[in-house]
Amino acid sequence: QTVVTQEPSLTVSPGGTVTLTCASSTGPVTSGNYPNWFLQKPGQAPRSLIYSTTNRHSWTPARFSGSLLGDKAALTLSGVQPEDEAEYYCLLYYGHVPNWVFGGGTKLTVL
Amino acid sequence: QVQLVESGGGVVQPGGSLRLSCAASGFIFSHFPMHWVRQAPGKGLEWVAFIRSDGSDIYYTDSAKGRFTISRDNSKNTVYLQLNSLRSEDTAVYYCAKEKPISGFDYWGQGTLVTVSS
Repeated sequence: QTVVTQEPSLTVSPGGTVTLTCASSTGPVTSGNYPNWFLQKPGQAPRSLIYSTTNRHSWTPARFSGSLLGDKAALTLSGVQPEDEAEYYCLLYYGHVPNWVFGGGTKLTVL
Repeated sequence: QVQLVESGGGVVQPGGSLRLSCAASGFIFSHFPMHWVRQAPGKGLEWVAFIRSDGSDIYYTDSAKGRFTISRDNSKNTVYLQLNSLRSEDTAVYYCAKEKPISGFDYWGQGTLVTVSS
């Protein structure tokens, strides 16, 4: 059973920078896991932010950036806005199975 | 603009069945793979099933194998999820999501709630 691990919670001040990470129980996260990142606010459907590690969707603000950081996928928010307070999920693809596995989510608090 | 609209959720007894639908518009449906993702109350997201654009490849999470069936009708721009032998732990909001190749999720529906309860 593959487990994808995210920080349960993080807090950042408005205007600050924060990095969320996404680790895989099977080993290092690579570009072949095609990491995706999503944002979800209470009572709303998820919204896609980043796909294939680093690519923003047309609607994704430039303050969101994706990368690989060591053995993990990472989402960095620069110049955090109050409206960025939300739950953030990563998603990894495992081609040998194949299946997709979500991380448990990171609750980001802006204060 | 792209729209995904789920329907078919409701209350069902354990062991019962439901068929969820996801009607797509605003893009060439037959060109894109689709996914179903669910979220139990107060919990995180869980990937459920995948179907390729022409239906040639289908994959499920382990808990869905043998009970759930994903299908699509490209003439109706609709993807389906047949839920059989439902259990209380299947209670969740079910979302459909469009894939942007490769393995990029882009658009999501608003979700449909399935409640399994006696």
